[in-house]
Amino acid sequence: ETGVTQSPTHLIKTRGQQVTLRCSSQSGHNTVSWYQQALGQGPQFIFQYYREEENGRGNFPPRFSGLQFPNYSSELNVNALELDDSALYLCASSSGMVGELFFGEGSRLTVL
Amino acid sequence: GQQLNQSPQSMFIQEGEDVSMNCTSSSIFNTWLWYKQDPGEGPVLLIALYKAGELTSNGRLTAQFGITRKDSFLNISASIPSDVGIYFCAGLYPDSWGKLQFGAGTQVVVTP
Repeated sequence: ETGVTQSPTHLIKTRGQQVTLRCSSQSGHNTVSWYQQALGQGPQFIFQYYREEENGRGNFPPRFSGLQFPNYSSELNVNALELDDSALYLCASSSGMVGELFFGEGSRLTVL
Repeated sequence: GQQLNQSPQSMFIQEGEDVSMNCTSSSIFNTWLWYKQDPGEGPVLLIALYKAGELTSNGRLTAQFGITRKDSFLNISASIPSDVGIYFCAGLYPDSWGKLQFGAGTQVVVTP
């Protein structure tokens, strides 16, 4: 069984740029959630996708957007990057049946 | 957003000792999850709790879902060096498959 995979693992951007992060969900999982984890803090919920639709969003501005594809993989897009966007971005998938979320190893974004 | 109060913030223990940590919330959750995160990696699910009062074990780990549904604790018995890491509690919002509220984490350091 393949777990949740994310790419890229590390990347560096400058303020104002745009970034796309990618996630492949665990086999059999149809729900994908994205989290932002700042250094020394717990992950913060960004949004969730189910059946290619966003169906839950945390307290993040519209410049954070996403997509889910028919194969349940997902993208997180962040426009107009700010310094505070520097964080570990985690993708989690679930089957939608038992509420257990399984996380990928994350994408470490540094904004200079 | 709603915060989970997780304590203690950090623990320094000797190998073989037991570890206990807990989370409290002002809101009710229907599911409590406990994760462990190693540096540079995503959180790994340790235990999931679905029913108030439920006591669940996973090897040397034991977790309980509080009767009020507003708290949970995790115990680690007979700690070993590989128990080092950051432990997070998380509550799953009702009617959500992917929206978790995380605590700030408990950093566990095990000394020989």
